[in-house]
Amino acid sequence: GNSVTQMEGPVTLSEEAFLTINCTYTATGYPSLFWYVQYPGEGLQLLLKATKADDKGSNKGFEATYRKETTSFHLEKGSVQVSDSAVYFCALRFDGQNFVFGPGTRLSVLP
Amino acid sequence: NAGVTQTPKFQVLKTGQSMTLQCAQDMNHNSMYWYRQDPGMGLRLIYYSASEGTTDKGEVPNGYNVSRLNKREFSLRLESAAPSQTSVYFCASSEGTGGRSNQPQHFGDGTRLSIL
Repeated sequence: GNSVTQMEGPVTLSEEAFLTINCTYTATGYPSLFWYVQYPGEGLQLLLKATKADDKGSNKGFEATYRKETTSFHLEKGSVQVSDSAVYFCALRFDGQNFVFGPGTRLSVLP
Repeated sequence: NAGVTQTPKFQVLKTGQSMTLQCAQDMNHNSMYWYRQDPGMGLRLIYYSASEGTTDKGEVPNGYNVSRLNKREFSLRLESAAPSQTSVYFCASSEGTGGRSNQPQHFGDGTRLSIL
């Protein structure tokens, strides 16, 4: 079946450091790919998405590129802030099917 | 812009009690979902409703029932609560009949449920 794997956390960075959170998927075909963010005490919010190979999703300084060769969708940000501390979820979806979420990666950014 | 609204936000139950978690969305979405979130296990789908009038089991349906009351509302019921059902429950919705893959899900803020 389809699945999403994320790097295990927690990830702890200093403010202004470079962030990479790895995400790889296993699927037959080419799903749409998403990154969601969950701030403490809140639900998940869509951060960015990409719907076909080589697409780059971006939002709030975060970026991720859909790489079909490596079945990956790694999340990056050039300079993290304390306010980026949250749990990040990678997810995939095919037409007519439900979302498949990764286990989440907790990010802590220290001042 | 309420989006997806869940009630209550917190609840403590005793083993064996029953409870209904409420969810409503104001985005005219066709599909609605219930997830549970447990430490180290990410999100697990309990039940979903692809459209008004239909419901289907997800990954972990045992011990739960759902009702798609109308297009806006999708409730989750625990008939006889057990400690293993202590969790954070999220409702979500998405647009697009048939679930177009590029349509995201929109989540509520969750219900934190403890069963003693």
